[in-house]
Amino acid sequence: EVQLVESGGGLVKPGGSLRLSCVLSGFTFSNAWMTWIRQAPGKGLEWVGRIKSKVDGGTTDYAAPVKDRFTISRDDSKNTLYLQMNSLKTEDTAVYYCTLGDGWLPSWGQGTLVTVSS
Amino acid sequence: DIQMTQSPSTLSASVGDRVTITCRASQSISSWLAWYQQKPGKAPKLLIYKTSSLQSGVPSRFSGSGSGTEFTLTISSLQPDDFASYHCQQYNSYPRTFGQGTKVEIK
Repeated sequence: EVQLVESGGGLVKPGGSLRLSCVLSGFTFSNAWMTWIRQAPGKGLEWVGRIKSKVDGGTTDYAAPVKDRFTISRDDSKNTLYLQMNSLKTEDTAVYYCTLGDGWLPSWGQGTLVTVSS
Repeated sequence: DIQMTQSPSTLSASVGDRVTITCRASQSISSWLAWYQQKPGKAPKLLIYKTSSLQSGVPSRFSGSGSGTEFTLTISSLQPDDFASYHCQQYNSYPRTFGQGTKVEIK
């Protein structure tokens, strides 16, 4: 069974940084393309970005609102996906989900809440 | 970016009703559309991918159809467990985009 477990969320001040982690089990992480999705309170789902597997180049794509502030990376030795978030804004407040896949997303983590507030 | 528009935003229905949710894309996405169900405080769950392919374990009362720019999710006979929010998502191009969601409420 595929499982994804996120961690690292919390309260941070505007302009601050936070790093989220996501551990994947039940699937060969090194072969996985991984995607981050977020959901602001009471709002819809928003695609944040995606990282390819290293065998497919390991490249990343980002949504415009987070490009140049957020960085997605991976450590295949630890089966772990990361989301480094810098220069955080109040509008980045959301539950952040890591997901397995790139097109349709069959497996999701439970989500971790990031609150950006002074 | 491709904009996805769902309608209605909220739908009130009774157990046993046939329910249809529409998702429109601002440009053609071929058949690259997925549907998710989300309950309060929980992660979304994949129901349908590639417009009409049912994800493993999803009840057959859920079905999807459409192509190009107009798509529908149909629940043939609404069950108590189906009261939730539903989201469409296009994966024809980057950035992937979602509809704003449809909440199915008890009438």
